[in-house]
Amino acid sequence: AQSVTQPDIHITVSEGASLELRCNYSYGATPYLFWYVQSPGQGLQLLLKYFSGDTLVQGIKGFEAEFKRSQSSFNLRKPSVHWSDAAEYFCAVGTTNSGYALNFGKGTSLLVTP
Amino acid sequence: EAQVTQNPRYLITVTGKKLTVTCSQNMNHEYMSWYRQDPGLGLRQIYYSMNVEVTDKGDVPEGYKVSRKEKRNFPLILESPSPNQTSLYFCASSLDGYTDTQYFGPGTRLTVL
Repeated sequence: AQSVTQPDIHITVSEGASLELRCNYSYGATPYLFWYVQSPGQGLQLLLKYFSGDTLVQGIKGFEAEFKRSQSSFNLRKPSVHWSDAAEYFCAVGTTNSGYALNFGKGTSLLVTP
Repeated sequence: EAQVTQNPRYLITVTGKKLTVTCSQNMNHEYMSWYRQDPGLGLRQIYYSMNVEVTDKGDVPEGYKVSRKEKRNFPLILESPSPNQTSLYFCASSLDGYTDTQYFGPGTRLTVL
């Protein structure tokens, strides 16, 4: 069955530390991959997306993600976290097999400590 | 200002009382979608629409209806709400399918008693 897994429900990092949020997917077809962020009480905002080409993609707010086909992963990274990055992060996957339906992971809640 | 609006933002209702949550976008987007967000489950897609009069089921369509009579509007209809439909609902739109950036509305918090 097709699925998107975010193994970490909660992550706590210190301000200024590096961050990596994990995302694994299980799809037979070539995936379209996304990371969205949801600040408290807000809707979702697209951070970055990958369809093809360079496997390292840059997004907004200093985030980047790397697509690794061999590991079926699309991990999100940031070299230095700011307190304003505290939010919920969602990985999402779509494929040409799924029509135009988009599947989200369950999310990772990021807490940033001083 | 480009935006997706939803109404109402908060709604408390009772089991079986039909309700409609409206969604409207002013960006001339072709694609619109409804999601529900539940703790520990993330976002799950309910329905989506590629264009006027074209709708399709997402992961959790049971108990919901949608219509797309105009490009800008995509209402979500709960004909007989039940407590398990208590959730936070988001409408989203994009220019042409999910491969384009989806713009999300502010959410509608629904409680069904």
